[in-house]
Amino acid sequence: QITLKESGPTLVKPTQTLTLTCTFSGFSLNTTGVGVGWIRQPPGKALEWLALIYWDDDKRYSPSLKSRLTITKDTSKNQVVLTMTNMDPVDTATYSCAHLPPPYNSFDYWGQGTLVTVSS
Amino acid sequence: SYVLTQPPSVSVAPGQTARITCGGNNIGRKSVHWYQQKAGQAPVLVVYDDSDRPSGIPERFSGSNSGNTATLTISRVEAGDEADYYCQVWDSSSDHYVFGSGTKVTVL
Repeated sequence: QITLKESGPTLVKPTQTLTLTCTFSGFSLNTTGVGVGWIRQPPGKALEWLALIYWDDDKRYSPSLKSRLTITKDTSKNQVVLTMTNMDPVDTATYSCAHLPPPYNSFDYWGQGTLVTVSS
Repeated sequence: SYVLTQPPSVSVAPGQTARITCGGNNIGRKSVHWYQQKAGQAPVLVVYDDSDRPSGIPERFSGSNSGNTATLTISRVEAGDEADYYCQVWDSSSDHYVFGSGTKVTVL
């Protein structure tokens, strides 16, 4: 059974760096073709893909946020970490991680998400 | 970057058929995935690769994709189908993932 869970601060101040951790079980990021992505959703708005890391440590970032994002993995801990620099109130959103199964390009399992509010 | 356009809302009576469109340039050449998101919940994959259903998804959910439009069809709509629906593709030209703007389905 695949599960994912996001953890991190619920409140950050403007200009601070956000660090979120996705802890997963039921699959390995050593398995060929597997990926873990981050997606966010501002309150009342649409889903927005942020970043994805593959089993081979290949990484992809949203072009509009690429300069602010870093995604890394720790396969020994079954974790994926996303950092976003220079946070702004418009970055207030629910941040979710999701499993990307090989050989597909869809997200078949999602975490429940964590709401991050950016406010001074 | 690649843009996916969905109608903001679709209303349908119980027992009828709801069709949700997802427009994109030559989207018929891409694999389209659809997610259902009920209020306060995480998205659930309901259709992948244009028309395949994950295990546990009712046959009432089906998908098609051709030209510049992909469509998610919900047959025999039930009150429990009321949710936001999002399409998603992987844009091979940029190697990025893209979500549509979302469609709110209201069951009358």
